[in-house]
Amino acid sequence: DTGVSQNPRHKITKRGQNVTFRCDPISEHNRLYWYRQTLGQGPEFLTYFQNEAQLEKSRLLSDRFSAERPKGSFSTLEIQRTEQGDSAMYLCASSFPKTGTGGVQETQYFGPGTRLLVL
Amino acid sequence: ILNVEQSPQSLHVQEGDSTNFTCSFPSSNFYALHWYRWETAKSPEALFVMTLNGDEKKKGRISATLNTKEGYSYLYIKGSQPEDSATYLCASLPPGAGSYQLTFGKGTKLSVIP
Repeated sequence: DTGVSQNPRHKITKRGQNVTFRCDPISEHNRLYWYRQTLGQGPEFLTYFQNEAQLEKSRLLSDRFSAERPKGSFSTLEIQRTEQGDSAMYLCASSFPKTGTGGVQETQYFGPGTRLLVL
Repeated sequence: ILNVEQSPQSLHVQEGDSTNFTCSFPSSNFYALHWYRWETAKSPEALFVMTLNGDEKKKGRISATLNTKEGYSYLYIKGSQPEDSATYLCASLPPGAGSYQLTFGKGTKLSVIP
């Protein structure tokens, strides 16, 4: 178990460019989450996958954002036509259902994040 | 309280001191509370998941309590060490079948001075 990994760790891009981030969850974790943390704030939920199905999306996830999880393994988060307001830390987490708790006591295990700076 | 709030925003303590901080959450919209420790340049580390009123959990020198009726949780660190320096985040999980979106507070940044 090597933990959740994210690539790249840092990304600098110019406004208007597209960027894509990758998240590799802990193997056998069927739930995967994306969060975003902007300066001075706590992480904010963006979207959630169970296997390959995207089940929840925050209103923060504008049309310029798209997330995929083909085959229910790794996930990608793409931001099109980046804006300066997209500068943030993008965190990925994964979890595995804890039997009998209905998901209440599931721990979400986080990766180290991808820090995006849009110039 | 509509959001998850944490206090203080930051604090500095001397090595060996014990400390505690607070997480407030909507008591009417509660399912579970998570605590994380996030050191700079590392992944947030899960500390506790708490669900029951009056619950108390412990991990080494760190412990947490939960009051779901009044909507708060305390995190205690006994005998702080420099390696405890980190941002401590709490997050509330609201009720709702199939919902797993955590609502985080802004965190408490702890600095332990050697």
